[in-house]
Amino acid sequence: DIQMTQSPSSLSASVGDRVTITCGASQSISSHLNWYQKKPGKAPKLMIYGASSLQSGVPSRFSGSGSGTDFTLTISSLQPEDFATYYCQQSYSTPLSFGGGTKVEIK
Amino acid sequence: EVQLLESGGGLVQPGGSLRLSCAASGFTFSIYGMSWARQAPGKGLEWVSGISGSVGNTYYADSVKGRFTISRDNSKNTLYLQMNSLRAEDTAVYYCAKTKQWLATAPLDYWGQGTLVTVSS
Repeated sequence: DIQMTQSPSSLSASVGDRVTITCGASQSISSHLNWYQKKPGKAPKLMIYGASSLQSGVPSRFSGSGSGTDFTLTISSLQPEDFATYYCQQSYSTPLSFGGGTKVEIK
Repeated sequence: EVQLLESGGGLVQPGGSLRLSCAASGFTFSIYGMSWARQAPGKGLEWVSGISGSVGNTYYADSVKGRFTISRDNSKNTLYLQMNSLRAEDTAVYYCAKTKQWLATAPLDYWGQGTLVTVSS
């Protein structure tokens, strides 16, 4: 089974900051890496799929990069509505697996 | 507009059973893969099970294999999760989600609001 590791587990940032979250896979997953945003009491929301493709309706300040085992989610200018927990997920093989999450909090 | 509405959650004793349903609308249900995922209180997201479109191949997390069964009724646009031999660690909000294509392993582009399952005596 493929293990996904995210860092950091939490971070504090201010509105307008550039934020970077990293995700690592225990084996190569090519570009089969997706990023989700989760807010308390709300459904998860797909932000980035295929490592770098922006899901329809997601603001362009979100971007993803990487391939193989190392991936990055970047928010270029953090907005108030971006404070949430972000999860990476591999869709390379079953069982599908999520990273542990990165909570983005207000500084 | 894609809509996914889960139902069937509730309180069940350890060792008991429960069947979750997910009513889908706004897309051609039969051709898309579907998944169940869960989030235990204070924990992260965990994928539980998936089923492909059309052929209906099924896949499970190791933690639920042999206890849970995923199925779909394309005539009713409904996804199911039969959960047997429930344990305290199965307590979570369960989400159904649609994939971006027929594969069960494709990215999950739409999610329901979730249904709470509590396993406790």
